[in-house]
Amino acid sequence: NAGVTQTPKFRILKIGQSMTLQCTQDMNHNYMYWYRQDPGMGLKLIYYSVGAGITDKGEVPNGYNVSRSTTEDFPLRLELAAPSQTSVYFCASREQGLEGYTFGSGTRLTVV
Amino acid sequence: DAKTTQPTSMDCAEGRAANLPCNHSTISGNEYVYWYRQIHSQGPQYIIHGLKNNETNEMASLIITEDRKSSTLILPHATLRDTAVYYCIVMIKAAGNKLTFGGGTRVLVKP
Repeated sequence: NAGVTQTPKFRILKIGQSMTLQCTQDMNHNYMYWYRQDPGMGLKLIYYSVGAGITDKGEVPNGYNVSRSTTEDFPLRLELAAPSQTSVYFCASREQGLEGYTFGSGTRLTVV
Repeated sequence: DAKTTQPTSMDCAEGRAANLPCNHSTISGNEYVYWYRQIHSQGPQYIIHGLKNNETNEMASLIITEDRKSSTLILPHATLRDTAVYYCIVMIKAAGNKLTFGGGTRVLVKP
């Protein structure tokens, strides 16, 4: 049981490049989330999903896209990277109910 | 979801109990109190949650006041590995409920 796995751990992008941050979980959780955390700040929700085929915007969705074709995977897509997207990105999942969220170890992204 | 207020930082001596306060005076009857922590550069880690009764698990105890307007997370025997930012979050139980993180309390456990 690996929990929530994020890849890559680190990435440097040039302005205007695109990339996909991968997130997969093996706990059969219905709910999945993407957060970003800027230096010294709390986490902000980008997108979330309550099940395969269903996604919705969080607090800071601009510049990002997501898809949820399977229960296990919830990739986050950056189409035109900007320096403002330099951040640490965390993926999380949880089962329906009161149980706590399980977070991945994060992807540290730098846009130059 | 109700807003929470936590001290910005606090120090604690290794081996002693750490008591982390949280105010949530606008909490509604169906909102739960959750605690998470984030050790440097890692993803947040779930600690404990409760509605109105005190709760205890292998990591910590959660004491919620009778009027539910405040709570205290207790780490019974703090270790250096407990140094982290601790987040108190109140959240309604609903499909698609979402954690909203505030600033948290930066706890430094000193030898």
